[in-house]
Amino acid sequence: DADVTQTPRNRITKTGKRIMLECSQTKGHDRMYWYRQDPGLGLRLIYYSFDVKDINKGEISDGYSVSRQAQAKFSLSLESAIPNQTALYFCATSAATGNTEAFFGQGTRLTVV
Amino acid sequence: AQSVTQLDSQVPVFEEAPVELRCNYSSSVSVYLFWYVQYPNQGLQLLLKYLSGSTLVKGINGFEAEFNKSQTSFHLRKPSVHISDTAEYFCAVRGGYQKVTFGTGTKLQVIP
Repeated sequence: DADVTQTPRNRITKTGKRIMLECSQTKGHDRMYWYRQDPGLGLRLIYYSFDVKDINKGEISDGYSVSRQAQAKFSLSLESAIPNQTALYFCATSAATGNTEAFFGQGTRLTVV
Repeated sequence: AQSVTQLDSQVPVFEEAPVELRCNYSSSVSVYLFWYVQYPNQGLQLLLKYLSGSTLVKGINGFEAEFNKSQTSFHLRKPSVHISDTAEYFCAVRGGYQKVTFGTGTKLQVIP
């Protein structure tokens, strides 16, 4: 089983709809992140959480919200989806100390029509 | 603030030839540096990382990178590429507040 699991893997939704992307991890990491990937733009940070009670905006948080339901779960919501939110979304985790690399999920491909 | 620049968006190279993928960064604090690889329809996986110590870092699949503090660079190299190395490669920096900033990616195309 994957250490970082994202659901769904693919989703098509209509403009104006609310949608939630979910992420769960078995790494035991405190830190979790949501990124979006667009061609030619790399990965941009949407939100990050250093523990259950800590939520921080990233560089492109407008139009998104998050919820850290537990150490292992971090969900991303689009309250009212718009077409320019069509992208590949990645959840990632990292340890607070020691090994500092991030571990990524397989991604969620979201299309807003 | 920190930033990462990957100068080449695409790099075509013949099979068994050497390759260098360039990465420059800026940060006002000490950093950790990473290279990740993304194969089609997959997430990112770590190739190698520089945390401290030796400036030459060896990673998986025969890749290596050299940290150059004076030039603020962390270029990725492989002496002989294989078809299976075709992928997109991302340089990343982790500095203040432990946030990770990614470059825009370099697509490596290995030509048979």
